[in-house]
Amino acid sequence: AQKVTQAQTEISVVEKEDVTLDCVYETRDTTYYLFWYKQPPSGELVFLIRRNSFDEQNEISGRYSWNFQKSTSSFNFTITASQVVDSAVYFCALSERETSGSRLTFGEGTQLTVNP
Amino acid sequence: DVKVTQSSRYLVKRTGEKVFLECVQDMDHENMFWYRQDPGLGLRLIYFSYDVKMKEKGDIPEGYSVSREKKERFSLILESASTNQTSMYLCASSLWVGGPGEQFFGPGTRLTVL
Repeated sequence: AQKVTQAQTEISVVEKEDVTLDCVYETRDTTYYLFWYKQPPSGELVFLIRRNSFDEQNEISGRYSWNFQKSTSSFNFTITASQVVDSAVYFCALSERETSGSRLTFGEGTQLTVNP
Repeated sequence: DVKVTQSSRYLVKRTGEKVFLECVQDMDHENMFWYRQDPGLGLRLIYFSYDVKMKEKGDIPEGYSVSREKKERFSLILESASTNQTSMYLCASSLWVGGPGEQFFGPGTRLTVL
């Protein structure tokens, strides 16, 4: 069965610090997809990234970067030089291609607070 | 832009009432989903649908039913609301793009059952 664990319930940093949000997943499928979403205080989830299991290249998008390591079943998310607007709940999610179809299994979420 | 709308942002109902939550998407997505979000539990899938008139149970379907009569609309029904169904309800839609596409979410409905 697929499972996503975000062990960090809450993280608090000061603006301009770098912060890494951890995501560990469990799956028996060889083909799967990993996602990150952001939920700002307004409540609407915003898609950040989708990565398939065959693409282990790290990705960088501005201040955001993602580190995918199949050896440790992790897909961690780093925000460089954090800003107050980064304050949100961040969710990691997993979909197994064969058994899940389009459905996602979400982690519990990590509440990030960036203080000025 | 893909838009997913939900009929209400806030809803207050009484125990035993029948509750309808409506979700509409405007981008011809075949997949639609209903989640509930509770503190510390993340998003849990209630029901989803791959096509009109098709539905599949998610992880927590008990006490809920769904209806998808048109491709753009996916309704969540609480047959007899109970206090433990007080929660934030999120609707989402997506395309199949050779694998699961990103899900687009609505703004959510915060339901309180008294």
